[in-house]
Amino acid sequence: KAGVTQTPRYLIKTRGQQVTLSCSPISGHRSVSWYQQTPGQGLQFLFEYFSETQRNKGNFPGRFSGRQFSNSRSEMNVSTLELGDSALYLCASSANQNQNTEAFFGQGTRLTVV
Amino acid sequence: AQSVTQLDSHVSVSEGTPVLLRCNYSSSYSPSLFWYVQHPNKGLQLLLKYTSAATLVKGINGFEAEFKKSETSFHLTKPSAHMSDAAEYFCVVNTGFQKLVFGTGTRLLVSP
Repeated sequence: KAGVTQTPRYLIKTRGQQVTLSCSPISGHRSVSWYQQTPGQGLQFLFEYFSETQRNKGNFPGRFSGRQFSNSRSEMNVSTLELGDSALYLCASSANQNQNTEAFFGQGTRLTVV
Repeated sequence: AQSVTQLDSHVSVSEGTPVLLRCNYSSSYSPSLFWYVQHPNKGLQLLLKYTSAATLVKGINGFEAEFKKSETSFHLTKPSAHMSDAAEYFCVVNTGFQKLVFGTGTRLLVSP
């Protein structure tokens, strides 16, 4: 069974641009969540989607948005990039929304804003 | 609000000696707790999870964790460290709808 796939693995963008990151969950998983990892703030929850509906959102500005498609694939978009958006963005998928159900993570997309 | 606190930012051990990574949790009810490991430039890998079925949880690569309600702890242990265990370890609580709250991480250093 293929794991969680994130593309691209690396991105370099300029301040003010926008970026779209993609995540393909494990086959059959309907929950996809996104996290931002930085040295200063650690791992922070961005949002979670289940069956194309955003069920939960973290404390990030509206420049961060996402969506989920009918095949459970998810995209995350960041508009008007700032230097502080440089981070490793991790996607995780879960079979369901049960709190005891583990999340499986992709390798991440390393975004550098210059 | 549910949270986890990792008590050590760095832990150094010698190969072959025991490993103890400490985590305390804060929750008003039985929490869903996990330990993940992250190797350099890699994603997160699940080591083990606590599901309330048993207080001693066995995970992959010889790791275990014991849930102690009286101490609000979920410490991660391994009897004998390997060089390949050098990585960052995260204690995590699932607060609902797959919103994971991470501890600040413990970097495990293993010397030969």
